[in-house]
Amino acid sequence: GENVEQHPSTLSVQEGDSAVIKCTYSDSASNYFPWYKQELGKRPQLIIDIRSNVGEKKDQRIAVTLNKTAKHFSLHITETQPEDSAVYFCAATLDTGRRALTFGSGTRLQVQP
Amino acid sequence: GAVVSQHPSRVICKSGTSVKIECRSLDFQATTMFWYRQFPKQSLMLMATSNEGSKATYEQGVEKDKFLINHASLTLSTLTVTSAHPEDSSFYICSAPSRALSTEAFFGQGTRLTVV
Repeated sequence: GENVEQHPSTLSVQEGDSAVIKCTYSDSASNYFPWYKQELGKRPQLIIDIRSNVGEKKDQRIAVTLNKTAKHFSLHITETQPEDSAVYFCAATLDTGRRALTFGSGTRLQVQP
Repeated sequence: GAVVSQHPSRVICKSGTSVKIECRSLDFQATTMFWYRQFPKQSLMLMATSNEGSKATYEQGVEKDKFLINHASLTLSTLTVTSAHPEDSSFYICSAPSRALSTEAFFGQGTRLTVV
């Protein structure tokens, strides 16, 4: 089955700096890679996703890059704000509607004002 | 977007009792629902896949007789934690893909289960 590794486990940045979180996956068949933000006690919120037919996707301050050959994908947050502080999870799956997501271990991002 | 509603959001129960958690898709039909468990400061781990009209499939290490899943309709899946123990205390969350050919997931609000 799929295995997703995520690092770092914690990340502290100053407000306005950039944050980068990296994930690797094991199953070359995986073709859908979402990123979630989760606040304490809440459901994960999808912040951006990418499919394997593209290498990069951007939405305002958030971008995701995918390297299929290396089986790496990364989340980039620019101009970080205190409200970006949360736990971020990457995930991977085969996009069939019947395969669950395999999540990374999570990154606790702390943005210092 | 698609809405998945999960209840209850919090429940406290005594050891040995059973707890039922409901997950409903409000504006779409979900032939498949996924049940995850999240222990404090850990990731979401898939417990089982619920399929409408057929038996659920469980991940390795998840006891199917302890975590009963029923998916009797296209909009409702339930997870019953039977004979709960303190080690079952966790955050349980369901999700469903909004379209038959997509795994883009919509999550329920989650259920914080505390077994005392």
